[in-house]
Amino acid sequence: EPEVTQTPSHQVTQMGQEVILRCVPISNHLYFYWYRQILGQKVEFLVSFYNNEISEKSEIFDDQFSVERPDGSNFTLKIRSTKLEDSAMYFCASSNSGLPAQYFGPGTRLTVL
Amino acid sequence: GENVEQHPSTLSVQEGDSAVIKCTYSDSASNYFPWYKQELGKGPQLIIDIRSNVGEKKDQRIAVTLNKTAKHFSLHITETQPEDSAVYFCAPISSGSARQLTFGSGTQLTVLP
Repeated sequence: EPEVTQTPSHQVTQMGQEVILRCVPISNHLYFYWYRQILGQKVEFLVSFYNNEISEKSEIFDDQFSVERPDGSNFTLKIRSTKLEDSAMYFCASSNSGLPAQYFGPGTRLTVL
Repeated sequence: GENVEQHPSTLSVQEGDSAVIKCTYSDSASNYFPWYKQELGKGPQLIIDIRSNVGEKKDQRIAVTLNKTAKHFSLHITETQPEDSAVYFCAPISSGSARQLTFGSGTQLTVLP
């Protein structure tokens, strides 16, 4: 069964550094998403991406965040200058064009020191 | 935006018993109602979903029921097994959003052998 994959599984970085989180969505899906989950809290929407542009974003997704689909298979989330409060699990998800069901990857645990 | 509440926050049942988790949402025009299961250290896994034109959907031991008038939908798990132990999230999509899931705060289900 096709799955969403994410790398790395765990990223440790110093405050102020840039990080790039990578995702490979399910191959025939056209919508891509990033969500985050701070330890012990609910999953929060960050951004959705379709047809090479952002279709929705939340208040969390400020100018420090950007997304890109650099090629036909990868979808990335970049945080330009990490803050302590960016420490969280980041989940990538994808969905088909006709259906709202979203399928999540295993997540990247980001730790900002 | 959508306001989502989930009850109970924790639920313990004996193996073989049934479990019911309820999700209340605020947007009367919400049209898609999924349930996700999250095991420790993993991403949310879609287990069942329902559209607004359907009142109930079943998949083996799992069912979802929707009451649009009262603005709530529930997850029913019958004949629970220890492997059902996980955190369960509801995540409706509101009408104002194309595809943004708004997650509830989660229910920790523990199935006691």
